[in-house]
This record gives sequence, structure tokens and C-alpha cells, in this order.
Amino acid sequence: GQNIDQPTEMTATEGAIVQINCTYQTSGFNGLFWYQQHAGEAPTFLSYNVLDGLEEKGRFSSFLSRSKGYSYLLLKELQMKDSASYLCALTGGGNKLTFGTGTQLKVEL
Amino acid sequence: DAGITQSPRHKVTETGTPVTLRCHQTENHRYMYWYRQDPGHGLRLIHYSYGVKDTDKGEVSDGYSVSRSKTEDFLLTLESATSSQTSVYFCAISEDSNQPQHFGDGTRLSIL
Repeated sequence: GQNIDQPTEMTATEGAIVQINCTYQTSGFNGLFWYQQHAGEAPTFLSYNVLDGLEEKGRFSSFLSRSKGYSYLLLKELQMKDSASYLCALTGGGNKLTFGTGTQLKVEL
Repeated sequence: DAGITQSPRHKVTETGTPVTLRCHQTENHRYMYWYRQDPGHGLRLIHYSYGVKDTDKGEVSDGYSVSRSKTEDFLLTLESATSSQTSVYFCAISEDSNQPQHFGDGTRLSIL
């Protein structure tokens, strides 16, 4: 099976940088996804890591270390609209996703 | 936005009644998925499809069945709804394995 852990809540200041961690225990997976979900809305795709290392996409970056069972999502130049839940998910056979319970990020002035 | 439409968007029904949720896509993607989202559990996979008439179970499939008779439609049926199936249901699609899944707007289902 797959066990995924994320902090439940985080708070950060507008304009700052925040790192949201995701740790996992699994027998194997194809890749790791990050999704953003605003309250009452559908999850939207942010990033995908297959290989170890950093993937950068504008203000968002994601990092994966398979040997350490660890990933993080880095958000730079935080904006109020970044207040949302951030979901870490592992993908296995059939592209099935197993999600963590998500990290609720609150951005304050 | 990916062309995914879920219907209905909201439904209230009684325990023991059958319920069918529909997911319709205009992207011609091979893979389609049904998830439920509950506080404290996150998103959990119910069933998925990897082609017409090809489906498989997910993590929480008990009490649910699915059908996919054509590429664009994936139906989720609760044969006899129970209060524990009150949830928000999301459909997702992906073009192929290891491609991002894109989600519909969700169906809020309440079973009284």
C-alpha cells in the first residue's frame, strides 16, 4: 500500500516563500503529482515529478527524492490567491492516484 | 479547461434509493476516474476506466458500480444509497498513463 503524510495546515505571509512537504512510504510508484484545490472547487494540476530533482514552473517548484521518500512544493512570491489546499499524490499502475489528505495554506497580509 | 461535465452538480436523496452520476468528456481521453472527497480522508479512488467497457476497482469500490459504454461517458451508480456515501464526487480524465488528471467540477451528494 501507499501511505502519504502532509502537514494539515500552514500559514505564510504575502510575498514570502513557503515550502509544503510530503513524505511517503510505498513499495513503488511511477511519479508524484501536486494539485491545488480552492475551497468548493475542483483540484487543478500544478506539477509532476518522475525523476529525482527539481521541476520549476514559474512561481511554483516541486522537488522529489525517491531515496528519502520525500517531496516538497515551493511557492515563491506568495499571493492571497494562493490560499488553498495543496494535495500530494502518487501515481501507480493504470495512472491511479493515491492522494494525501492535503495541506491547507493560508496566506496573510 | 479540460472539457469535463459532471451531472447533476447537486443531489439530495433518501437512503435505499438508486443514484447515478454522470461524467461526460469532450477530450477523447482514454482514462476516466471517479473519486470521492471527505474531510479527513482526502480524495479516494472509487473506480476507474482504461477504455470502453474496461473498468477496474479503486480503493473504496464497495457499494458502487460503474459503466463506460462509450469513450465520452463514465457513469457511477450507487445501487442502494447509504448515508455513508454522502460526499463530494469528482470525475477525472487523463490522456494516458503518467499524464496529469484533469478534474470535473464535482457533484455534491447528500443521502438522508
